[in-house]
Amino acid sequence: NAGVTQTPKFQVLKTGQSMTLQCAQDMNHNSMYWYRQDPGMGLRLIYYSASEGTTDKGEVPNGYNVSRLNKREFSLRLESAAPSQTSVYFCASSPPRGNQPQHFGDGTRLSIL
Amino acid sequence: GEDVEQSLFLSVREGDSSVINCTYTDSSSTYLYWYKQEPGAGLQLLTYIFSNMDMKQDQRLTVLLNKKDKHLSLRIADTQTGDSAIYFCAESLDSGYALNFGKGTSLLVTP
Repeated sequence: NAGVTQTPKFQVLKTGQSMTLQCAQDMNHNSMYWYRQDPGMGLRLIYYSASEGTTDKGEVPNGYNVSRLNKREFSLRLESAAPSQTSVYFCASSPPRGNQPQHFGDGTRLSIL
Repeated sequence: GEDVEQSLFLSVREGDSSVINCTYTDSSSTYLYWYKQEPGAGLQLLTYIFSNMDMKQDQRLTVLLNKKDKHLSLRIADTQTGDSAIYFCAESLDSGYALNFGKGTSLLVTP
């Protein structure tokens, strides 16, 4: 029962480097999401994909791009990493139609030096 | 968006009941959720309640919803040390896709 799988689990980057975080789900969910979690801030939505072929901005999209590669996979790219992007990144997915519970991966812990 | 409010910390003794409170923002939220996060892990869906319900019980968990006051609570009966974690309240938003999360309540259960 893999659920939502994120890779890598940990990464350290230098300022200005680029990086793609990978996410895959095996639950046949239509919708997928990327959040970041910072101390004292809760979770904030970066981007989401309501269905294959669509992506939309969330609350904090600046500095990020996403690709919904297929129904299973949703990647998050940092083109030029900045220290402010040091965070824990979570991918989530949910069944078709809105207002469904979201299922989360274990997160990617990213540090930008 | 507006903040979903939760108290930051709660400490209880093992065997007691825990009550974690949340005030949400959107009176039209269709679903309200409780997630649990253990150290170093992702968020685990604990339970959720549909907005036309007042209460939902699931084993040791009881969720109460007061729509008039936009108040949600999670009661954990017979709290165990394994319940120590951060608990997040979340509301669904108009888009039907995004969730608006509170900042989380850290629950510490002491022997």
